[in-house]
Amino acid sequence: RKEVEQDPGPFNVPEGATVAFNCTYSNSASQSFFWYRQDCRKEPKLLMSVYSSGNEDGRFTAQLNRASQYISLLIRDSKLSDSATYLCVVTPNNAGNMLTFGGGTRLMVKP
Amino acid sequence: DTAVSQTPKYLVTQMGNDKSIKCEQNLGHDTMYWYKQDSKKFLKIMFSYNNKELIINETVPNRFSPKSPDKAHLNLHINSLELGDSAVYFCASSPRDRGLLGTEAFFGQGTRLTVV
Repeated sequence: RKEVEQDPGPFNVPEGATVAFNCTYSNSASQSFFWYRQDCRKEPKLLMSVYSSGNEDGRFTAQLNRASQYISLLIRDSKLSDSATYLCVVTPNNAGNMLTFGGGTRLMVKP
Repeated sequence: DTAVSQTPKYLVTQMGNDKSIKCEQNLGHDTMYWYKQDSKKFLKIMFSYNNKELIINETVPNRFSPKSPDKAHLNLHINSLELGDSAVYFCASSPRDRGLLGTEAFFGQGTRLTVV
C-alpha cells in the first residue's frame, strides 16, 4: 500500500464548478499535511498547509480527519488557471522533515 | 532572484556515464533535498541533508551520492548511469523544523535527465 494515495483523475470540470479531491495516508504518526500544486513541466509549489481545525484560503478549503487518516481539498468557483495536478503531501514524522507525496490528482477546468 | 536554482535544466547522456546536477538555494535554509519524479509523475524523496545529518532513502542505489560543499549547495552525483535513471530530478530546501509542524519545501525548476 502506498503511503499517500490519491485518485489520479483527471477531473474534468466546467468553469465555476466546485470540485473536491481526497487523499488518504497510511502512517498514523504523520504530523504535517500540505497540498501542493504542480503545473505541467514545472516544479511543485505549496498551495496550502492543512491544519487540524480545517482552513480556508480564498476559494480553497482544506480539511483533515486524523481518525480516518484522510485529507481533502475543495475548490470553489473553478478557474481555467486552476488546471494543474494537485499533490497531497504528508510529513511522516519530524526526522529530516521529508515530505511524502501522493501521486497527484489532475484537474482540467474547461471553458 | 531564483530561490532554488538547479543546473542544467536538461541533460542527455549515454549509459555508463557519470554526471552531476548542481543545486543552490539563497533562502538561508538549513535543509536541502533531492527528489526524483519518474514517468508516472510520482515524486520520491532521495536524500535529506543538513549540516549535521544525511538521511538516505534506502531504495536509492549507491550510484547516487549527494555532495554539499556548504549550506547553500547540494549537488547530486550519479555514477554509471542506467536507462532507468531517466526522470526529472528536483532539488528543494526548507527552513529548520522548529516544532511538531513540518515546514514548507521550496523546489528548484527541475533537471530533466535522459539516458540513452
